[in-house]
Amino acid sequence: AQSVTQLGSHVSVSEGALVLLRCNYSSSVPPYLFWYVQYPNQGLQLLLKYTSAATLVKGINGFEAEFKKSETSFHLTKPSAHMSDAAEYFCAVSEREAGTALIFGKGTTLSVSS
Amino acid sequence: GAVVSQHPSWVICKSGTSVKIECRSLDFQATTMFWYRQFPKQSLMLMATSNEGSKATYEQGVEKDKFLINHASLTLSTLTVTSAHPEDSSFYICSAGDPSESSYEQYFGPGTRLTVT
Repeated sequence: AQSVTQLGSHVSVSEGALVLLRCNYSSSVPPYLFWYVQYPNQGLQLLLKYTSAATLVKGINGFEAEFKKSETSFHLTKPSAHMSDAAEYFCAVSEREAGTALIFGKGTTLSVSS
Repeated sequence: GAVVSQHPSWVICKSGTSVKIECRSLDFQATTMFWYRQFPKQSLMLMATSNEGSKATYEQGVEKDKFLINHASLTLSTLTVTSAHPEDSSFYICSAGDPSESSYEQYFGPGTRLTVT
C-alpha cells in the first residue's frame, strides 16, 4: 500500500529564510506526488505535482519540489519565506491510474516569524 | 482548471438529525468522486469512493449505514450523515478527477464544516 511520511509536524522559519518541508513516500512503483497548502478554515490548494515529467517541479508562489527516486523523497522548498506562507502543508501520493484517491501525509504546519 | 463545488459550506445540526452534503463537478463529468474527513489539526482521511451508478466503496472503519453516499449523476455526489452525533463534527471535503486530463489530478471542493450540537 502506498503511504507518505512528512517529517516534522511543525516547521518554523524567519521571513526571508529558506523553507524546507520534507516528504518521503512508500510505493512499489514511482507514484504521482502532490503538495497542497491549506489555510485556516479553507479547502486545499494545489502547489505543485509530479507526474513523471521533469524531476524538478516548479509550483505556485515560488515553491518547488524535487522528485528523488533513490531517496523516495519529494521535499518542498522555497528560497525565501514570506509571512503569507504560514499555513498547513500536505504531501499526497496517488497511483499512476485514473480515478484513484490521494493518500495524504499528516501535514506540516509552517510558521513564519518576522 | 476544473472546479468542484460543495454545498453547504458549513452546517450546524442537532444530535440525531441527518445532514446532506453535495459535491458537484462544475465543468466536467466525474464517474468517480472521493469523500474525505478532516478533524481539527489533522490530515485528510479518505472515507469512501463514490461511483456513478453503483454503490460506494467505503474505507475500513467507516460505517456505510451512517455515511450514505449517492452518486446519481456524472456531476453530483451526495454524502448524508445520518443520525449525526457530536463526534461526527468535522470538515468534509470531496474531490473528483477530470477523466479527459492525463495528469490524473484530483480537484478538491472547498469543504463543508459540520458541527453537531
